[in-house]
Formats: sequence, structure tokens, C-alpha cells
Amino acid sequence: NAGVTQTPKFQVLKTGQSMTLQCAQDMNHEYMSWYRQDPGMGLRLIHYSVGAGITDQGEVPNGYNVSRSTTEDFPLRLLSAAPSQTSVYFCASISPGQGAYEQYFGPGTRLTVT
Amino acid sequence: GNSVTQMEGPVTLSEEAFLTINCTYTATGYPSLFWYVQYPGEGLQLLLKATKADDKGSNKGFEATYRKETTSFHLEKGSVQVSDSAVYFCALRGRGAQKLVFGQGTRLTINP
Repeated sequence: NAGVTQTPKFQVLKTGQSMTLQCAQDMNHEYMSWYRQDPGMGLRLIHYSVGAGITDQGEVPNGYNVSRSTTEDFPLRLLSAAPSQTSVYFCASISPGQGAYEQYFGPGTRLTVT
Repeated sequence: GNSVTQMEGPVTLSEEAFLTINCTYTATGYPSLFWYVQYPGEGLQLLLKATKADDKGSNKGFEATYRKETTSFHLEKGSVQVSDSAVYFCALRGRGAQKLVFGQGTRLTINP
């Protein structure tokens, strides 16, 4: 049981390049989300999904796209990278166990945009 | 809207010292409250949680009590260890919602 996996672990992009951050979970959770972590700002929600085919915007969605074709996968796309997107990105899935909706986080992707 | 405020860090303590990290929140209704821990180079892990007023969450010697009258969820540990060095995040989930709102995190360093 791998939990939540993310690839790549590190990535350097030039301004204007595009890329996809991969996220997969093997716990059959319906709810998944993407956060970015910046110094002194905690985690901010980018996009989330409540099930296959359903996505919605979080607090900071600009510059990012998502899709959810399967329960397992929830990729995050940067269409035209900007230095402001330099951050650490975390994917999470939620277990609805006992109503507490516990979140499980992946190990993160550290992205640098030059 | 919902928000979480944590004490500013970084916090540096000696081994076996008493730890308190303050967390207060603003929310409508009765949110669920969480503490997450992030060890260097890793993702966040759930440390403890409380889902209703006066509940006490506990794990690995850490405790936090859901205080609705003071809208607080302070994290405490009686005797910290070097291995407790990490960043700690307080978070809330609004009633009926699935999204988490995080505080800014508090970096804790324990010296031997």
C-alpha cells in the first residue's frame, strides 16, 4: 500500500515552459487536492476534486489546470511556468473515516522556475 | 471566512523542555481541528485531531484541547526530544466541508 505518491521529487523549469506534476493514490479516496507551500504562508489550496470527472478551484488556482479521469490519478498542469510558481507542491487525498475527513499527503514536488 | 493563526516561529528549546505552540481560529459553526507535522524533506503527517468542543487529541506525547470559548487548539508536550524538531501546522475543517484551512506553520528546533 503506497498511499499517495508524487513525481517528480524535484524539477527546474524555465519561464514559459509547461509541465505536469503527477499524483496518484491507491486508497480509493474520492476526494483529492493540490496545495502549494510557500515560506511563512502555510499551505494554500490550488484545486481539488470530489470524484472522477469533478474538479473545482481552490484559493490560488490561476496558472494551474487539473483533470480527474480516474479515482487514482489527479495531475496538476502548469501551462506556462512563471517564477511566482516556484514552490513546494503537495497532493493529498482524504479518507472520510468517522466523519473526520483525515487528509493523507504525498511527499511533495519541489519546483523552481528560473 | 475560516482562518487559523499560529504563534510565530521559529521556536528553539532544549531537550526535555515543555512545549506550547499556540493556535487560534475563526470559523462559523463547529469546525474539526487538526495538528499536522512536517519533518525535514517530507510531506505533512496528521499528528492529532479533535472534532468537537472539549475533545482532547493526543499522539506521541503531544496533546491539544478544543476550546470553543477561547477558539483555541494549543499544542503541548511535557518533555520534547531532538526528534520532535519539525514544522507544525494547525488546521481546521469547516462543518460539512472537506477543505482544510492551514495556519502558517511553526518551525520547532530542539537542541540536545
